[in-house]
Amino acid sequence: DTAVSQTPKYLVTQMGNDKSIKCEQNLGHDTMYWYKQDSKKFLKIMFSYNNKELIINETVPNRFSPKSPDKAHLNLHINSLELGDSAVYFCASSQDSGGGNEQFFGPGTRLTVL
Amino acid sequence: TQLLEQSPQFLSIQEGENLTVYCNSSSVFSSLQWYRQEPGEGPVLLVTVVTGGEVKKLKRLTFQFGDARKDSSLHITAAQPGDTGLYLCAGVKNAGNMLTFGGGTRLMVKP
Repeated sequence: DTAVSQTPKYLVTQMGNDKSIKCEQNLGHDTMYWYKQDSKKFLKIMFSYNNKELIINETVPNRFSPKSPDKAHLNLHINSLELGDSAVYFCASSQDSGGGNEQFFGPGTRLTVL
Repeated sequence: TQLLEQSPQFLSIQEGENLTVYCNSSSVFSSLQWYRQEPGEGPVLLVTVVTGGEVKKLKRLTFQFGDARKDSSLHITAAQPGDTGLYLCAGVKNAGNMLTFGGGTRLMVKP
């Protein structure tokens, strides 16, 4: 059983397009995250949601808009894609927003903007 | 400048060798985690250390949290090809579950 799943696995698109990445977790966790991993493998948090409420929003362009329809889902919509958005995007979840909890990561979505 | 600096960035060794990976910061962390990431997959938690000076062992892997809770190390004994991957340290500061990741150490163990 997949704990944290993301779709699509790969996404290739043109500059200026709008795209979405979906994430679902079946662990019953309250908190979900989006991370961006660049070409140098540096993993940086973008957003965190706890029970559908935004709790962390790092300095991310407002072209990125997360949406959490319920606590098992956290989708990421990106408007007006730019070359610099090319990266691997990881969704993750944890039991709650308490410090030090294990985070479970999805397999990642490799986004390539041409 | 990253909050958590990992060294070395790359490490290529032969099967059977020992190695140590370091994770350093000038900041104090309430806890620190080590993850391993394999190609095409997300990071997977190996261990969490919370007490200054704490040592945890996971088979051939030994993790240590610095006394001041500013740094950590991962030592692998008799490395095997299956240990190949990207090793990431991640720290939690104060309240909240925001993990700050280090830049990672890419380990390759050749048979």
